[in-house]
Amino acid sequence: EAGVTQFPSHSVIEKGQTVTLRCDPISGHDNLYWYRRVMGKEIKFLLHFVKESKQDESGMPNNRFLAERTGGTYSTLKVQPAELEDSGVYFCASSQTSGSLEQFFGPGTRLTVL
Amino acid sequence: AQSVTQPDIHITVSEGASLELRCNYSYGATPYLFWYVQSPGQGLQLLLKYFSGDTLVQGIKGFEAEFKRSQSSFNLRKPSVHWSDAAEYFCAVVPLSGGSYIPTFGRGTSLIVHP
Repeated sequence: EAGVTQFPSHSVIEKGQTVTLRCDPISGHDNLYWYRRVMGKEIKFLLHFVKESKQDESGMPNNRFLAERTGGTYSTLKVQPAELEDSGVYFCASSQTSGSLEQFFGPGTRLTVL
Repeated sequence: AQSVTQPDIHITVSEGASLELRCNYSYGATPYLFWYVQSPGQGLQLLLKYFSGDTLVQGIKGFEAEFKRSQSSFNLRKPSVHWSDAAEYFCAVVPLSGGSYIPTFGRGTSLIVHP
């Protein structure tokens, strides 16, 4: 069974540009989560989808970040326009149910904004 | 607000030596406790978890962790480290109540293993 996959693995962009990150959860997992880790800091929650609906987006830093999960399958996280402080590793995770304590994480996308 | 402290940013050990990674949490009640490992190029992998019961929990890859309520700690241990254990380790907590199962992570400890 394939795990959570993320694309791209690395992205280097200039300040002001747009970047879109993609996450494919484990097949059949209704819950999808986005997290971010700024270098040397904690992994921070961004938002949680249940199927195609946003269950909790309390961790989204500002309106430059837009997450979608059309059809309840894969998800995209768009940053527009990117700022220097957006640099970090963006992790995606999925779980079968909302009450499941175990989330399965992808390898992350390392975003560098110059 | 709950918080998780991993006081060691880096730890270096020799292969075959024992290992202990520290984790302390601050929370009103005993939460669910987790340790994850991230090897280079891989996602976070769950090593072990504590929900209730026996305070010494066994995980994968020969790791164990002990929950100490009096110290609000959940330290990770391994009696003999292998070179393949070189990775970053994250402690995380999930609140017991409130309906949200979103983990709070520590900032991670990077393990370096010398041959």
